[in-house]
Amino acid sequence: GENVEQHPSTLSVQEGDSAVIKCTYSDSASNYFPWYKQELGKGPQLIIDIRSNVGEKKDQRIAVTLNKTAKHFSLHITETQPEDSAVYFCAASSNYQLIWGAGTKLIIKP
Amino acid sequence: DVKVTQSSRYLVKRTGEKVFLECVQDMDHENMFWYRQDPGLGLRLIYFSYDVKMKEKGDIPEGYSVSREKKERFSLILESASTNQTSMYLCASSSAVHYGYTFGSGTRLTVV
Repeated sequence: GENVEQHPSTLSVQEGDSAVIKCTYSDSASNYFPWYKQELGKGPQLIIDIRSNVGEKKDQRIAVTLNKTAKHFSLHITETQPEDSAVYFCAASSNYQLIWGAGTKLIIKP
Repeated sequence: DVKVTQSSRYLVKRTGEKVFLECVQDMDHENMFWYRQDPGLGLRLIYFSYDVKMKEKGDIPEGYSVSREKKERFSLILESASTNQTSMYLCASSSAVHYGYTFGSGTRLTVV
């Protein structure tokens, strides 16, 4: 079955700098790759997703890139702000069941 | 605004009690999921349902059961609560067409 690995587990960046979180997946049939943000005390919230027929997608300060050949995808956050501090999860799927990465705690230093 | 509503934010139960966690979605989603989240262990799938009255075991179903009598409601049942079931429980739903999940705010359950 599918396996998703996420790195790093913790990422600390200076406010205003960029942050990159990487995930790899094992099942070549996976075709949907979402990213979720979980703030303290809340449920995860979808922030951006990409399908396998697209290599990159942007939404303001966040972007996701997908390399199907290497089976990895990444979340890029530019001009980080204090409100970006959260735990971020990647996931992969070929059907309705998402397979999750372990999460990355992003810390934004003032 | 579309929503997944979990009936309780915080719950304290005694060991051996039967516990019901309720989840309701207003998006007419076909798929519903129950996860538990513990520090350092990420999101672990307990049960899911892809249709009314249908249920499938996830990765950690032991000690739990579920019920889906109506499309909008998915209940998680702890038949006899134990202290190792103290955790954050998250409900999610998704449509059959778009795989993105919408999560509820979670129920933090403490079993004493």
